[in-house]
Amino acid sequence: AQKITQTQPGMFVQEKEAVTLDCTYDTSDPSYGLFWYKQPSSGEMIFLIYQGSYDQQNATEGRYSLNFQKARKSANLVISASQLGDSAMYFCAMREGGTSGTYKYIFGTGTRLKVLA
Amino acid sequence: DAGVIQSPRHEVTEMGQEVTLRCKPISGHDYLFWYRQTMMRGLELLIYFNNNVPIDDSGMPEDRFSAKMPNASFSTLKIQPSEPRDSAVYFCASSDTGTWTYEQYFGPGTRLTVT
Repeated sequence: AQKITQTQPGMFVQEKEAVTLDCTYDTSDPSYGLFWYKQPSSGEMIFLIYQGSYDQQNATEGRYSLNFQKARKSANLVISASQLGDSAMYFCAMREGGTSGTYKYIFGTGTRLKVLA
Repeated sequence: DAGVIQSPRHEVTEMGQEVTLRCKPISGHDYLFWYRQTMMRGLELLIYFNNNVPIDDSGMPEDRFSAKMPNASFSTLKIQPSEPRDSAVYFCASSDTGTWTYEQYFGPGTRLTVT
């Protein structure tokens, strides 16, 4: 069964520090994708970063990087140089490829990050 | 390029009334998803479509919920009759499997309150 686990319901980080948000996943499909989304208090869901199961290198997007450890089935999000605007809920998600060409996504429960001035 | 459009943004209705939520996906996207978000249950996938065809509706909570996608640019999620426990934010999202990542683009959501 597909599963995404985010064990940190809430986290604090000091401004300008780096922070790691944890995500583990479980799938038997060899082809899958991992995503991180940000949901600020305004409510919209913003795509941050993607990692494919066959990608050899960890994904990076500006201050965001994804620490992909395939054997451990973890896909942690690292935010460097935290800013006050990074305060938000962060969701880890997985897309699993279907044998019939259909795809399904599941989301974790989220981690609420608060950046302190 | 316009993003995913949802209407209405806010809906307040009385228990027992019919509610229809609308979504216009990004042009060219072949997948459309409906999610429900609550504090208690988080983000739940209700149903998704591929090329206007419903693929998986196992997340639809009850027969009171129905979704349609009559064409590539429009989808509706209907609740009839509505109940207070249906109060939530409903998101529509679309994705394009012609891209490498298939990331989902979310609409702004519809905040539904059933009194």
